[in-house]
Parts: sequence; C-alpha cells; structure tokens
Amino acid sequence: QSALTQPASVSGSPGQSITISCTGTSSDVGNYNLVSWYQQHPGKAPKLMIYEGSKRPSGVSNRFSGSKSGNTASLTISGLQAEDEADYYCCSYAGSSLEVFGTGTKVTVL
Amino acid sequence: QVQLVESGGGLVKPGGSLKLSCAASGFTFSDYYMSWIRQAPGKGLEWVSYISSSGSTIYYADSVKGRFTISRDNAKNSLYLQMNSLRAEDTAVYYCARAPNWSIDSWGQGTLVTVSS
Repeated sequence: QSALTQPASVSGSPGQSITISCTGTSSDVGNYNLVSWYQQHPGKAPKLMIYEGSKRPSGVSNRFSGSKSGNTASLTISGLQAEDEADYYCCSYAGSSLEVFGTGTKVTVL
Repeated sequence: QVQLVESGGGLVKPGGSLKLSCAASGFTFSDYYMSWIRQAPGKGLEWVSYISSSGSTIYYADSVKGRFTISRDNAKNSLYLQMNSLRAEDTAVYYCARAPNWSIDSWGQGTLVTVSS
C-alpha cells in the first residue's frame, strides 16, 4: 500500500487560509469516508484534528475543516495563526483492514 | 483524562527482540480498538498494527507481518508489541494509540527503538 501524496510544504501569512491536499486512489480515499488529519509539533506526539473526513473532535478549533472530492481529501486552516506551524498528516482506511498515512506537509506561518 | 504511557524501548542489535508495553488509564480500555504506529527519525508516520477491543481480531502492516505480535491484557489495561527479527529499518519512535473507527484519537508520548550493531 503506497503512502498518500501530500505537498511537502505549504505556507501562509497570519490570518490567511491555506489548504493541504491528500491524494490517494479509489481503493482508499475515494472509496471510504474515513480520512483523518493529524497535527504534529516538533518532538511531540501527533494530535487528531479531523476524523471521518470532516468531523472535528471536541476542543479542536473550528478554523480547521476537512473535505473530500474524488480521490483527494483536503484540510483547510482558516485564520492562520503562529501556533498552526507544524507538520500535518492525512490518513485513510484502505480496505482489507489496512490504514495508510500521507507523506506529510510542513506548514509555515510567514 | 486519557493517558497512554509506553515503555520498553531501547537499543537492540539486528536480529534481536524487544517487547513494548503501553499502560492505559482514564478510559474503559476494554471498549476500544488499540494500535501501534511508528515514526522513523525525521520521517513520516507508519501504521504498524491494530487489535480489536477483545483481542480477537488483529491486523498488521506488511512490513512487520510475521515478525511483530500485538496483544493486550484488558484486566491490566495494557497493550503490548513483541518485536522479533528486528532490522535497522525498524528504528523509530513507537506510539501506542487509541483507535476508534479507523482514526487515532489519543496518542502516547512514544518510545524510541534503535536497531543497530
């Protein structure tokens, strides 16, 4: 199972909106509504930001939103803040009881 | 609150074995699927293994199948990962994680496994 494809880096100024894409195939992202997104600050464990494509766990800012179109899922961060600077990973159920992570995206706040 | 605390990591020679443990608290452990996920130094996340709430159903990534064994003791609120025939490419931080419905809603702090001669 190949990793999902994410851009290596995305940047934006404070207050702007950015979108991170996560491209898979019809065997994973395109076939299930089970994409999750994780934020990871350096030296820390990842944190769940979005699950089941577009749902936010309790305590996660509504500046974070998820969506999907075809084989590509997206995470949008609106009103970008300095604390959003981190690595972001998508993850999708891929059938046959397997899960696959994305390659990861480094978000930089300019 | 949910707490997951891993232990058992360390330095091991290629071909050696190591057993990781994860102590869970703050939730009803026996209600949840659990998972091990790893991250090689400077690299991305890789799912390693899942175990159902009762332990009756288990899944492995192809990269560890036949070498790693996941298990749990619901009476002790503990998750385990027995790692045999370790290779250099198994070097990573290993995270214990709570895994409802194919997402990871809680992570431990991780334990570093280094495979080197």
